[in-house]
Amino acid sequence: KAGVTQTPRYLIKTRGQQVTLSCSPISGHRSVSWYQQTPGQGLQFLFEYFSETQRNKGNFPGRFSGRQFSNSRSEMNVSTLELGDSALYLCASSSATGGSNEQFFGPGTRLTVL
Amino acid sequence: AQKITQTQPGMFVQEKEAVTLDCTYDTSDPSYGLFWYKQPSSGEMIFLIYQGSYDQQNATEGRYSLNFQKARKSANLVISASQLGDSAMYFCAMRLNRDDKIIFGKGTRLHILP
Repeated sequence: KAGVTQTPRYLIKTRGQQVTLSCSPISGHRSVSWYQQTPGQGLQFLFEYFSETQRNKGNFPGRFSGRQFSNSRSEMNVSTLELGDSALYLCASSSATGGSNEQFFGPGTRLTVL
Repeated sequence: AQKITQTQPGMFVQEKEAVTLDCTYDTSDPSYGLFWYKQPSSGEMIFLIYQGSYDQQNATEGRYSLNFQKARKSANLVISASQLGDSAMYFCAMRLNRDDKIIFGKGTRLHILP
């Protein structure tokens, strides 16, 4: 079974631009979560989608948005990029929500904003 | 507010020794799950072990065990017989079963010395 895939793996953008990151979950998984990882703030929860609906959202500004498609693939969009958005963006999928359902993480997309 | 605290930013341990990574958490919710993840330098998050708040016994997975002390709100990870490949960043995380949001600690960087 293929793992979680994220594209692209690396991205360089300039301030003010927008970016879209993609995440393909493990086949059969319906829950996709996104996290931002920075040296200063650590791992922070962005949002979670389940069956095309956003179930949870972290404390990020409205410039961060996402969506999930009927095949469970998810995209995350950041508009009007700021230098502080430079981070590793991790996507995780699980078969369901809650309990001991393990989240399987992808390799991440490393975004650099210049 | 929910919080995960990992007080050891870095640790150095001799190969083959056992190591304990500390984790304390704060929540008033009765139903939650605790996770440990390993993040090698490649960036991918690897699930290690899970403990549910209602589980009576400490979780074990091979060389990993979780020392769960509910009254003290601690969930320390114990790695027995450490190996060079255990060198990585380790994150403790908590998920509240009512909203599935996962909160991560700042992590502990473990270095195994030959």
